[in-house]
Amino acid sequence: DIQMTQSPSSLSASVGDRVTITCQASQDIRKNLNWYQQKPGKAPKLLIYDASNLETGVPSRFSGSGSGTDFTFTIRSLQPEDIATYYCQQANNLPPSFGQGTKLEI
Amino acid sequence: EVQLVQSGAEVKKPGESLKISCQGSGYRFDTYWIGWVRQMPGKGLQLMGIIYPGDSDIRYSPSFQGQVTISVDKSINTAYLQWRSLKASDTAMYYCSRLLAGERAEYWGQGTLVTVSS
Repeated sequence: DIQMTQSPSSLSASVGDRVTITCQASQDIRKNLNWYQQKPGKAPKLLIYDASNLETGVPSRFSGSGSGTDFTFTIRSLQPEDIATYYCQQANNLPPSFGQGTKLEI
Repeated sequence: EVQLVQSGAEVKKPGESLKISCQGSGYRFDTYWIGWVRQMPGKGLQLMGIIYPGDSDIRYSPSFQGQVTISVDKSINTAYLQWRSLKASDTAMYYCSRLLAGERAEYWGQGTLVTVSS
């Protein structure tokens, strides 16, 4: 099965900062990579699909890039409401699998 | 409006059995995969397995194969997650989700908290 490695596992940033999270797959997953946001006590929310496509209604400060085994998730200008844990998820092989998450703090 | 409504919180003893549910509405239930995700206290998301209600095709993640049973009753638009013998380590929040093409989870249930304690 495909292993997903996210880094860093936690991150402290300030409002307005540019924040970058990386995700590496253990094998080529083409562009089959999604990003989710989970706030405390809430279900996860899909932000980015197919590596770089913004889900409907998601603010444009969120973006994703990459293909193959290396992927990047970026928040262009961090807002207070972005405090959450972020997960990557490979969708190349069924069933899909998640990275271990990146906890973002201000 | 697409909705996934999960059954309520459960408190069980080790060794007991349990079946929790996830009912979909607002879409054609048998044409989207349903996934079950475990989140242990303070930990990350783990995809347990997925099921396609149209033909009951099931794919388990290796860590959960043989530990749980995923099933569906498409006549009532409901997916299930079942344990035969619970352990304390099964204590977690469990989410169901609707996956587009079995790939991305666009919609999520509200979660079912399962607590296993003697």
